[in-house]
Amino acid sequence: GDSVTQMEGPVTLSEEAFLTINCTYTATGYPSLFWYVQYPGEGLQLLLKATKADDKGSNKGFEATYRKETTSFHLEKGSVQVSDSAVYFCALSPRTGDKLIFGTGTRLQVFP
Amino acid sequence: DADVTQTPRNRITKTGKRIMLECSQTKGHDRMYWYRQDPGLGLRLIYYSFDVKDINKGEISDGYSVSRQAQAKFSLSLESAIPNQTALYFCATSGDQALNNEQFFGPGTRLTVL
Repeated sequence: GDSVTQMEGPVTLSEEAFLTINCTYTATGYPSLFWYVQYPGEGLQLLLKATKADDKGSNKGFEATYRKETTSFHLEKGSVQVSDSAVYFCALSPRTGDKLIFGTGTRLQVFP
Repeated sequence: DADVTQTPRNRITKTGKRIMLECSQTKGHDRMYWYRQDPGLGLRLIYYSFDVKDINKGEISDGYSVSRQAQAKFSLSLESAIPNQTALYFCATSGDQALNNEQFFGPGTRLTVL
């Protein structure tokens, strides 16, 4: 079945460091791909998305490119801030359905 | 004002008790979902509903039931709570599938079963 695999955390960085959180997926067909972010004590909110191969989603300095050849959707940011500390979830949605399938989440901790 | 609200935000109960978690939304969405979040397991889908007359089981529906009372309301019940149902529960909504399935989440309910 369809699935999402994320790197385990926590990822610990100093402010202004470069961030990569790896995400790979297994799916039949052509899913849509998402990154959601969960700040402490809150629900998830959409960070960015991509709906077809080679699309790049971007928001708040974060980027991710839909790579069909490597079935990946890695999240990157050039310079992280303390306020980026959160849990990040990669997810996919199959073309034929509406359900989201989530990865296990990666906690990011950014220190000043 | 929040678009997706959940009540209660925190609940502690005992094994065997019946518990209802409620979700309301003002987004006008037809589709609603219940997830649970456990450390190291991410979010897992419990039940989902595409409209008032449609209820579907998700990945982990055993021990849970739901009721879609109206377009705006979707309740999750634990008929006889057990300790391994201790988790963070999220309600979510989404609109037309053509909008690529973005889901909007409530703030969560932290449930502890003793």
